[in-house]
Amino acid sequence: QVQLVESGGGVVQPGGSLRLSCAVSGFTFSRYGMHWVRQAPGKGLEWVAFIPYDESNKYYADSVKGRFTISRDNSKNTLYVQMNNLRAEDTAVYYCARKLDGYNHFDYWGQGTLVTVSS
Amino acid sequence: EIVLTQSPATLSLSPGERATLSCRASQSISSFLAWYQQKPSQAPRLLIYDASNRATGIPARFSGSGSGTDFTLSISSLEPEDFAVYYCQQRSKWPLTFGGGTKVEIK
Repeated sequence: QVQLVESGGGVVQPGGSLRLSCAVSGFTFSRYGMHWVRQAPGKGLEWVAFIPYDESNKYYADSVKGRFTISRDNSKNTLYVQMNNLRAEDTAVYYCARKLDGYNHFDYWGQGTLVTVSS
Repeated sequence: EIVLTQSPATLSLSPGERATLSCRASQSISSFLAWYQQKPSQAPRLLIYDASNRATGIPARFSGSGSGTDFTLSISSLEPEDFAVYYCQQRSKWPLTFGGGTKVEIK
């Protein structure tokens, strides 16, 4: 069965960096685009970034552009997001999600990892 | 950026009743809209994609309709497990955006 497992969350000071990982199994990772979506405590969902299966064109939300970098290692079946210059407003649960084949909707999600930016 | 406005913010209904949730886009998005269900402390689950297509394993009591700027998610007869928060999401233009959510609560 399809599984996505995020890791790497934690507490970081403003201005700090963190790298999140998403290990996947149960499907051919190299054939699917992948997304990061976040949810601040008690708030709604916010799309963060997208990487296609071949890394050809990456997209970012304006709120993270220039600070976050999405990447993938198809040999390790793992998705990443490198988060630099973190701000308090980046505090959220970060989910990785698989792109529904042919559509930029999200058909499978991980359980999420919490990132807290606080001094 | 395309803004999605969901209404109502909260819907109070009893099991067995019909639920009708609305999502309005700030500009036309054709049929490029999905609906998700999220329960407390869980990840969202895809219910409907491209306005009216049920995702794999989604019960037939969930249906979606609409195109352009106005969309509806209907739940024909609420089951106890359907009480949750529902989000719409558009894929017409980058950045992808979500609505603010509708909470369906037990009356």
